[in-house]
Amino acid sequence: AQSVTQPDIHITVSEGASLELRCNYSYGATPYLFWYVQSPGQGLQLLLKYFSGDTLVQGIKGFEAEFKRSQSSFNLRKPSVHWSDAAEYFCAVAPPYNNNDMRFGAGTRLTVKP
Amino acid sequence: KAGVTQTPRYLIKTRGQQVTLSCSPISGHRSVSWYQQTPGQGLQFLFEYFSETQRNKGNFPGRFSGRQFSNSRSEMNVSTLELGDSALYLCASSLEVNNEQFFGPGTRLTVL
Repeated sequence: AQSVTQPDIHITVSEGASLELRCNYSYGATPYLFWYVQSPGQGLQLLLKYFSGDTLVQGIKGFEAEFKRSQSSFNLRKPSVHWSDAAEYFCAVAPPYNNNDMRFGAGTRLTVKP
Repeated sequence: KAGVTQTPRYLIKTRGQQVTLSCSPISGHRSVSWYQQTPGQGLQFLFEYFSETQRNKGNFPGRFSGRQFSNSRSEMNVSTLELGDSALYLCASSLEVNNEQFFGPGTRLTVL
């Protein structure tokens, strides 16, 4: 069965600083990988996804993620964080034959200091 | 195009009662999935429907059930509510299976 680990429960960065959120997955083959963002009281918004091909994936809002098969990781990065990026971030994995059957990590809460 | 809508947005019930939550997918979307989000367990997959058929089910007791109608709208039902069922219930729709999922704002259920 697939599973996801987000080692950091809470991260605080200063506005303008770079950001990296970690995600490690467990799955027998190469799964589909996703990063979602959730603002308070809101649903989830897809930032980016990896299905196959180029291992560096560009997403919305200036985010990118890199798939590293050897490390079973899919870390999310942003070069310069904005105050509006403060939210909860979820990494998710799904089997390639059914990405509706998604398993989520516990989430990382991002706080942005002015 | 309107997004995924969920009704009601907030709900308070007492233990032992049952509840029905509704999800209207984006127009044209035929796949609907449900997730439960709690502080302790995080986001957990409940079930997925496509063309009125349940395709997949997560690890939840039989008190949790769902269905999908011919217009792709979906409902989930929880019977004999327990305190631990208090959660944000999220619905997501996609055009077909294996397409990007779009999430609704959720229904916040509180069980007293």
